[in-house]
Amino acid sequence: GAVVSQHPSWVICKSGTSVKIECRSLDFQATTMFWYRQFPKQSLMLMATSNEGSKATYEQGVEKDKFLINHASLTLSTLTVTSAHPEDSSFYICSARGKMGAGGPADTQYFGPGTRLTVL
Amino acid sequence: GEDVEQSLFLSVREGDSSVINCTYTDSSSTYLYWYKQEPGAGLQLLTYIFSNMDMKQDQRLTVLLNKKDKHLSLRIADTQTGDSAIYFCAGSGGATNKLIFGTGTLLAVQP
Repeated sequence: GAVVSQHPSWVICKSGTSVKIECRSLDFQATTMFWYRQFPKQSLMLMATSNEGSKATYEQGVEKDKFLINHASLTLSTLTVTSAHPEDSSFYICSARGKMGAGGPADTQYFGPGTRLTVL
Repeated sequence: GEDVEQSLFLSVREGDSSVINCTYTDSSSTYLYWYKQEPGAGLQLLTYIFSNMDMKQDQRLTVLLNKKDKHLSLRIADTQTGDSAIYFCAGSGGATNKLIFGTGTLLAVQP
């Protein structure tokens, strides 16, 4: 149980284009989803927290107009990188936190496999 | 804010025990977690411990928590080459319920 998927697993795009990444909880309802960014050989940096049906809360320094987050249902959140540039190239990982019964304590986050974004 | 530190690298021989250490500054976490990340992959939840526990054992994994010293450790018994990965400790961030991650420890298992 507690499986989270991400799509696509990798994407290469030209500078100036927008890229959408999907995060789905497959076997539980995710009341909260998180989006992280990870640079090579570094820890995860939280970008934003989204609750189903409400606006995402962005961490300090993260541009909300550049990284659009939508959490339209209890099983799906999307991150859109708008007008991507080479400096946006990174590994983006989502996580989902569900209601009790997803397999761990109530605040356990289950992570997707990540999306490697390369902007040329 | 919360600061979570880990040693960067640990090398062990196959069959030996591995001990990965983590120190933290904020003791308000309700749960503390250990995650494993293999190259190019997301994070896999390995185990967790409730903050009022001292020890938790789960098959080859043993978690020790010393709240007084704000020290968490993960012991892997009979380490295998498949255990080679980066290991992150994380606390549940108190009132915000955000996960605060450690810096990660790269475990290299030599055959």
